[in-house]
Amino acid sequence: GAVVSQHPSWVICKSGTSVKIECRSLDFQATTMFWYRQFPKQSLMLMATSNEGSKATYEQGVEKDKFLINHASLTLSTLTVTSAHPEDSSFYICSASEGTADTQYFGPGTRLTVL
Amino acid sequence: LAKTTQPISMDSYEGQEVNITCSHNNIATNDYITWYQQFPSQGPRFIIQGYKTKVTNEVASLFIPADRKSSTLSLPRVSLSDTAVYYCLVESGQNFVFGPGTRLSVLP
Repeated sequence: GAVVSQHPSWVICKSGTSVKIECRSLDFQATTMFWYRQFPKQSLMLMATSNEGSKATYEQGVEKDKFLINHASLTLSTLTVTSAHPEDSSFYICSASEGTADTQYFGPGTRLTVL
Repeated sequence: LAKTTQPISMDSYEGQEVNITCSHNNIATNDYITWYQQFPSQGPRFIIQGYKTKVTNEVASLFIPADRKSSTLSLPRVSLSDTAVYYCLVESGQNFVFGPGTRLSVLP
């Protein structure tokens, strides 16, 4: 149980284009989903927290207009990187929990490379 | 916001027991302690979670002293496949801050 999937697992895009990453909870309803970014050899950095049906809460320093998060259902959240630039290249990981204080279950991650 | 401190790296040999300690001096009453394992280019995997005393599952044990200001993840008889980064996370409402983790290298 508690499986979280992400799609795509790897994406390459040109600078200036937008990329959408999906995060799905496959066998449970995720009231809360989290988006993280991880650079090589570094720890995970929380970008934003989203509750189903509400606007996402972004961490300090994360541009909400650049990283659009939608959590329209209890099993799906999407992260759209708008006008991507090479510095946005990173490993993006989502996690999901049944409540804000419950255990997080992580997706396999999406590697984004912006050329 | 509970900040965690762990050793940056540890080495061990196959078959040994490995104990990784995490300090979380500012842990709040409602916080749980969760440990995750991460392999390169993969998302973290849940290992174990506890609130106090001792928790054991088929993978690991978690020891938490009475003051809850630290916790120790115990991996019995590690194998080469346990080489990974291990993160201690104090789940505090919506504030989840990952520390740098402990890079465990298991040697043959």
